[in-house]
Amino acid sequence: KAGVTQTPRYLIKTRGQQVTLSCSPISGHRSVSWYQQTPGQGLQFLFEYFSETQRNKGNFPGRFSGRQFSNSRSEMNVSTLELGDSALYLCASRFGTAMNTEAFFGQGTRLTVV
Amino acid sequence: GENVEQHPSTLSVQEGDSAVIKCTYSDSASNYFPWYKQELGKGPQLIIDIRSNVGEKKDQRIAVTLNKTAKHFSLHITETQPEDSAVYFCADSGTYKYIFGTGTRLKVLA
Repeated sequence: KAGVTQTPRYLIKTRGQQVTLSCSPISGHRSVSWYQQTPGQGLQFLFEYFSETQRNKGNFPGRFSGRQFSNSRSEMNVSTLELGDSALYLCASRFGTAMNTEAFFGQGTRLTVV
Repeated sequence: GENVEQHPSTLSVQEGDSAVIKCTYSDSASNYFPWYKQELGKGPQLIIDIRSNVGEKKDQRIAVTLNKTAKHFSLHITETQPEDSAVYFCADSGTYKYIFGTGTRLKVLA
């Protein structure tokens, strides 16, 4: 069974640009959550999608957005990139929405903003 | 607010020794506590988890204990091996998002 797949693995962008990251969850999983990982802030929750609907959102500015498609694949977009957006972006998939079930992470997308 | 404290931040052990990482959470309603291992350049890998209806769970060399009264849970790795070297994160399932600890960098010295 394939794991969570994130593409691309690495990205280098310039300040002011926008970027789109993709996440394909484990087959059969319908919940996708996104996290930002930085050395200073650790793992921070961005948002969660289930059945194409955003269920919850973390404390990030509106430049961070996402969506989920009918096949459960999810994308997140960051507009007007800032240097501080440089981070590892991780997505996690879960079968349903219950928080007491296992969540599996992808390898992440390493975004560098220059 | 919701918070998970994790200690120590770094831990060095000799190969074959045991390692213990401790976490404290704040939300009394929490009922699920996973542990993740993250190797360099990779995403977090779920290694073990525990639900609030049990006090201990074991999987080969790895065990997790939970003390709901004290709001503590701990990861125990026995007979450590060089491949156990990684960063370990505890998490509290929270209401709608995982609250992660700050991570423990474990180094197993050969």
